[in-house]
Amino acid sequence: DQQVKQNSPSLSVQEGRISILNCDYTNSMFDYFLWYKKYPAEGPTFLISISSIKDKNEDGRFTVFLNKSAKHLSLHIVPSQPGDSAVYFCAASANNAGNMLTFGGGTRLMVKP
Amino acid sequence: NAGVMQNPRHLVRRRGQEARLRCSPMKGHSHVYWYRQLPEEGLKFMVYLQKENIIDESGMPKERFSAEFPKEGPSILRIQQVVRGDSAAYFCASSRDQVGNEQFFGPGTRLTVL
Repeated sequence: DQQVKQNSPSLSVQEGRISILNCDYTNSMFDYFLWYKKYPAEGPTFLISISSIKDKNEDGRFTVFLNKSAKHLSLHIVPSQPGDSAVYFCAASANNAGNMLTFGGGTRLMVKP
Repeated sequence: NAGVMQNPRHLVRRRGQEARLRCSPMKGHSHVYWYRQLPEEGLKFMVYLQKENIIDESGMPKERFSAEFPKEGPSILRIQQVVRGDSAAYFCASSRDQVGNEQFFGPGTRLTVL
């Protein structure tokens, strides 16, 4: 049973446009959400996070939106750059379950010059 | 650079051998996590440790796998009598505190079982 799902395995965007990556979760106990970016043969790199008490968090070109009623979050990258091409993982944790992260399957983003 | 360090980066073992994966957390971090990524899948939690304690091993297979984080030295993930299905990328992450803190990942160890 996948508790965190990224339904789009891949996404292609033109440089300069907005990239929107989506993530859905089923466990209502999740209260902290993170996005990681991963290049081949490297470990995931932390991008941005959001607590369940917020609905938006922004850091430079990256913004994460959380819709708790829909159990949905999204990562917006604007403007997209070719260097953003990577696999993006959504992850979630529950305060009462220690600190383990539950990851989605990832979305491969390709930003075309 | 005081990032999370893992070694070796690549490890090849024959079936039945033992694999030892090492992880040194970021400076100042006392929480260590191990995750496994099978081909074409996301990362799956295995175990969460603090110094000398296993806090949560709910994601660890019951047999052949063990983990430790001694008072001195790196965290070790040990796989005994490896099988082909153990072939995967194993990532270690560390965090400073327990709640609400981001986990920072190492580069991973890619284990190949022949």
